Amino acid sequence: DAGVIQSPRHEVTEMGQEVTLRCKPISGHDYLFWYRQTMMRGLELLIYFNNNVPIDDSGMPEDRFSAKMPNASFSTLKIQPSEPRDSAVYFCASSLLQGSTDTQYFGPGTRLTVL
Amino acid sequence: AQKVTQAQTEISVVEKEDVTLDCVYETRDTTYYLFWYKQPPSGELVFLIRRNSFDEQNEISGRYSWNFQKSTSSFNFTITASQVVDSAVYFCALSEHNNAGNMLTFGGGTRLMVKP
Repeated sequence: DAGVIQSPRHEVTEMGQEVTLRCKPISGHDYLFWYRQTMMRGLELLIYFNNNVPIDDSGMPEDRFSAKMPNASFSTLKIQPSEPRDSAVYFCASSLLQGSTDTQYFGPGTRLTVL
Repeated sequence: AQKVTQAQTEISVVEKEDVTLDCVYETRDTTYYLFWYKQPPSGELVFLIRRNSFDEQNEISGRYSWNFQKSTSSFNFTITASQVVDSAVYFCALSEHNNAGNMLTFGGGTRLMVKP
């Protein structure tokens, strides 16, 4: 079975440009999560969706960040305009709630560098 | 609020040594889940294990074993006869269930370096 797919794997852009990160969750999963990993802050949850509906976006750093999930097999995380401090690895994860628990499976990540 | 602490930021061992990675957690819930993930140098996060708060039995999988002790709020991970391929950053995580789903809180990670 295919795991979580993320694209692009690497993105280098200049400050002020719009960046769009993409994620395809594991088929049949009902939760999708976006995380950011930096040396300073570790792994941070940015936002998560349940059945395509955003549930908690309290981790989104500011209005420059937005996320959408138009259908069960696709989500985007957009940064507009990008800033050098947004440089990080962005992970997408998906899970299937079974009973009272789930296990999150992570994609390979997108390494974003904003110059 | 829930919290996960991995006090060991970096551990270095020589191949074939046993090594234990510590994880201490804080939660007010009686039902929760604990996880370990591995992040090798290639960068992906690989799920290793999930335990629920009602199951304190130790788990063994090959050279890996996990010791869950509710009395000390710890969920430690031991690698027996370590190998160079075990070199990675290991994350412990805690999940509490709420009506909106399960959110993971990660520890800061322990970087394990296994030298030949």
